[in-house]
Amino acid sequence: QQQVKQSPQSLIVQKGGISIINCAYENTAFDYFPWYQQFPGKGPALLIAIRPDVSEKKEGRFTISFNKSAKQFSLHIMDSQPGDSATYFCAASRVGDMRFGAGTRLTVKP
Amino acid sequence: DGGITQSPKYLFRKEGQNVTLSCEQNLNHDAMYWYRQDPGQGLRLIYYSQIVNDFQKGDIAEGYSVSREKKESFPLTVTSAQKNPTAFYLCASSPHDGANYGYTFGSGTRLTVV
Repeated sequence: QQQVKQSPQSLIVQKGGISIINCAYENTAFDYFPWYQQFPGKGPALLIAIRPDVSEKKEGRFTISFNKSAKQFSLHIMDSQPGDSATYFCAASRVGDMRFGAGTRLTVKP
Repeated sequence: DGGITQSPKYLFRKEGQNVTLSCEQNLNHDAMYWYRQDPGQGLRLIYYSQIVNDFQKGDIAEGYSVSREKKESFPLTVTSAQKNPTAFYLCASSPHDGANYGYTFGSGTRLTVV
């Protein structure tokens, strides 16, 4: 049972463009929504996270948009750079339970 | 520097062997987790522990075992009962039970059956 659905599976963006990754969750008890960035051969690193009491959170070039009624959230990477090329995972959690999306492989072409 | 150390980075297992993956953290986190990562399947939870001497099965615990004798350490044993163990294994930790905080991950161990 996949509790967090992530799309697209892969994404190619030109340098300077906007990368958008979408996630949807099912369990309304989830109350913390982080995004992780993973480079090949490395563990995921926490990138940015949001709680459902706000609709948007921005940190530098990274923004999470959150739609509680639709049970959806997305990651926007502005001015995408080749160094952003990595796999991105969304997650949704509640006390004692964190569920991850299947991941999006982002390639930013120079 | 605080963090999570996983060892070894690469591990090869022969058929029928048990192997143990090490995970040590110096973050003073209460909760620790083991995930398995396969291409296109994201992260799947194997076991987790919220306090010393206590742990719970995750979604894919069959063929794996763990122990939590110290707060800093959470080793994972891949037993011969695990029929398809080739994967990338990730250990993580978090404060309290972790659900409302981000996880800190180690750099992973890549296990290959030879």
